[in-house]
Amino acid sequence: NAGVTQTPKFRVLKTGQSMTLLCAQDMNHEYMYWYRQDPGMGLRLIHYSVGEGTTAKGEVPDGYNVSRLKKQNFLLGLESAAPSQTSVYFCASSRDRGASNTGELFFGEGSRLTVL
Amino acid sequence: ILNVEQSPQSLHVQEGDSTNFTCSFPSSNFYALHWYRWETAKSPEALFVMTLNGDEKKKGRISATLNTKEGYSYLYIKGSQPEDSATYLCASQRGSSGSARQLTFGSGTQLTVLP
Repeated sequence: NAGVTQTPKFRVLKTGQSMTLLCAQDMNHEYMYWYRQDPGMGLRLIHYSVGEGTTAKGEVPDGYNVSRLKKQNFLLGLESAAPSQTSVYFCASSRDRGASNTGELFFGEGSRLTVL
Repeated sequence: ILNVEQSPQSLHVQEGDSTNFTCSFPSSNFYALHWYRWETAKSPEALFVMTLNGDEKKKGRISATLNTKEGYSYLYIKGSQPEDSATYLCASQRGSSGSARQLTFGSGTQLTVLP
């Protein structure tokens, strides 16, 4: 059982280039998330999705776009990369537990992006 | 408290010592408190999700308590082992749907257990 898989694991970009990070989960989870991790800061939510075809902005959405065309995949795009987007990106998913909705997050192993 | 704060930022303990650290979160609009364990080069993994004031959860040598009225949670590790070395993250959840369902993470406590 692969869980949550992110590709690529590492990438170096030049300012202005574009790229897409792919997140795939095989747990049939409804919710998916993209976070960024920067030194000395907690995980910050970029965008999230509560189901196929739906996305919403998180805490730090500027400069990123997302799509969830299939339930198992959540794509994070950078249209014009900037050095401020140098970070480690984590994808996560969680199950819809109905009214309680306190399902824990399952994380991928992270994607380290450097923008020069 | 507007954000989720964890203390200390890092600590070193000797193998066999017991230790604890703190997560402070906004007590207003509280819904759930999550603890995650994050080993270097791996993914964060859930330890506990807690919702009730006074709740205590345990997993092996690790336990956690929750005080929703004053907005804090403690994580305890009894008899620390080198394999407990990791960053421990807590996250507050304000509600059950929409943006309130999303977690706000603290910056973590990095624990190193020395053999």
